[in-house]
Amino acid sequence: DGGITQSPKYLFRKEGQNVTLSCEQNLNHDAMYWYRQDPGQGLRLIYYSQIVNDFQKGDIAEGYSVSREKKESFPLTVTSAQKNPTAFYLCASSPWGQGPETQYFGPGTRLLVL
Amino acid sequence: AQTVTQSQPEMSVQEAETVTLSCTYDTSESDYYLFWYKQPPSRQMILVIRQEAYKQQNATENRFSVNFQKAAKSFSLKISDSQLGDAAMYFCAYRSGGSQGNLIFGKGTKLSVKP
Repeated sequence: DGGITQSPKYLFRKEGQNVTLSCEQNLNHDAMYWYRQDPGQGLRLIYYSQIVNDFQKGDIAEGYSVSREKKESFPLTVTSAQKNPTAFYLCASSPWGQGPETQYFGPGTRLLVL
Repeated sequence: AQTVTQSQPEMSVQEAETVTLSCTYDTSESDYYLFWYKQPPSRQMILVIRQEAYKQQNATENRFSVNFQKAAKSFSLKISDSQLGDAAMYFCAYRSGGSQGNLIFGKGTKLSVKP
């Protein structure tokens, strides 16, 4: 089955700790995205990548970092600089040139701070 | 900057009835797209319907249809013959007409369906 997998489903972070959220897709999509969702809010774009070894900041990139070493993978690191990381994180991918409306979303990771 | 507003945090509908979810947006662009996404309890985001701004005809997908009023910058979603499986969060989203414009989401409307 083709799709997007995110792991873990739940993640706990201690104060001052960096944590990495995994996102893998086997849809052969060029573009990948990371969104943050808070209660009562819509999705906000953190980072996106249109091709391997290239990525751009979204609206709320501060305190986050990403890498795109492989087409299939787009991990998100929540650094200690992100003071309010508790949220639901969604990864998405889309074919190149068809715009984000054709995005396919993963099941998400809930990050909690201990 | 573009903004998307959903003024109804929660809505409720009786099974088999019709419900309309509201969305307004603000933009100075003439070329853009509008979308409705569904997020059920599983949290998986699912595209419900999309509308190109240059098309006057309202988009329809089975029981889902939109009322697109470009001059008023309004984009409402109508769900006909509501089913229990329609219960979810619904998000309105905007994208500029460029090929890689990013999605801008509203805050969502929680729809409950009563049996």
